[in-house]
Amino acid sequence: AQSVAQPEDQVNVAEGNPLTVKCTYSVSGNPYLFWYVQYPNRGLQFLLKYITGDNLVKGSYGFEAEFNKSQTSFHLKKPSALVSDSALYFCAVSHISSGSARQLTFGSGTQLTVLP
Amino acid sequence: DVKVTQSSRYLVKRTGEKVFLECVQDMDHENMFWYRQDPGLGLRLIYFSYDVKMKEKGDIPEGYSVSREKKERFSLILESASTNQTSMYLCASSPGLGKGNTEAFFGQGTRLTVV
Repeated sequence: AQSVAQPEDQVNVAEGNPLTVKCTYSVSGNPYLFWYVQYPNRGLQFLLKYITGDNLVKGSYGFEAEFNKSQTSFHLKKPSALVSDSALYFCAVSHISSGSARQLTFGSGTQLTVLP
Repeated sequence: DVKVTQSSRYLVKRTGEKVFLECVQDMDHENMFWYRQDPGLGLRLIYFSYDVKMKEKGDIPEGYSVSREKKERFSLILESASTNQTSMYLCASSPGLGKGNTEAFFGQGTRLTVV
């Protein structure tokens, strides 16, 4: 069975500092991995994905993520955090269900707070 | 841009009522999903559909049903609402297998309160 773990419920970082939000996964076969962001009382917005190729994936708003197959991790990173990056971040793994559709399994989410 | 629209942002219903949550997408996506989101639990899949009139149970289908009569519309039905169904409900859509982009697109969410 597939699963996603986000070990930190809360991450605090000072504005201008680098940030990392951690994610590890368990899935059979080659993983499709995603990061989404959610602002208060809003739906999820797609940030970036890893399907194949370069282990460093670049996405929206200056975010990037590093795929590490040996550690089964897909950590989200940004070199310089902004106060506006404060939000709830979800990691997800995609898998095919009964040959009919590709569905997502989500982690529990990490609340990122960037302090001015 | 892909647009997934949920009919209500906020709903308040009474225990025992039949509740309909509606979702419409405009990108001709084959797949549609209903999730509920609760603090500390992330998103949990209730039901999904990969074609018109087709549906599959997700992780937590009990107390819910769905309907997909048209490709663009996917409805979530709470047959008899209970207080433990108070939650944020999120609809999503994505292309079918082998049809390009793999990411799902989400609606704005419906915050349902059952009293």
